Amino acid sequence: AQSVTQLDSQVPVFEEAPVELRCNYSSSVSVYLFWYVQYPNQGLQLLLKYLSGSTLVKGINGFEAEFNKSQTSFHLRKPSVHISDTAEYFCAVSESVTGGGNKLTFGTGTQLKVEL
Amino acid sequence: DGGITQSPKYLFRKEGQNVTLSCEQNLNHDAMYWYRQDPGQGLRLIYYSQIVNDFQKGDIAEGYSVSREKKESFPLTVTSAQKNPTAFYLCASSIRRTGTYNEQFFGPGTRLTVL
Repeated sequence: AQSVTQLDSQVPVFEEAPVELRCNYSSSVSVYLFWYVQYPNQGLQLLLKYLSGSTLVKGINGFEAEFNKSQTSFHLRKPSVHISDTAEYFCAVSESVTGGGNKLTFGTGTQLKVEL
Repeated sequence: DGGITQSPKYLFRKEGQNVTLSCEQNLNHDAMYWYRQDPGQGLRLIYYSQIVNDFQKGDIAEGYSVSREKKESFPLTVTSAQKNPTAFYLCASSIRRTGTYNEQFFGPGTRLTVL
């Protein structure tokens, strides 16, 4: 079974500082990896995804992530955060299910709090 | 506008009562999913359906039931057998292609509180 570990439950950071949110996965097969963002009492929005190809993936709102197969990691980074980036961030891995669908397994989430 | 709607946004239930959460999509997606979110635990899959009149249990199906009578609708019933139903419930949908990833789109969620 696949699993995802997000090492930090909370990450405080000052505005305009860089940030890295860590994610490690466990899978015995090729993976698809994702980062989602959730603002309070809302659904999830896809930030970026790694399906194949270049290991550096760029997403929305200036975020990027690097897929590292040898370290089984998919860390999320932003060079300069803004107050509006305050939210919860989820790393997820996808596996195919019989019949053509996909099942997402999520990490426990990292609360990013940007302070002035 | 195409998207996924969940209703109601907030739901209160007395202990021992069944309650049904609505999920509707107009994206013409074949697959639909229900997740439960608890603080510090991320999202966990309850049930999913890849086609009308068919659904499969996810990781935490006990105490829940679903139906898929129409392509656009996938209601979730939280039964009195669910021991700790207070949570945030998220519905998602995707197209269904074999051999590749199908992006899941999420609804805004329903927060269920058992009094």
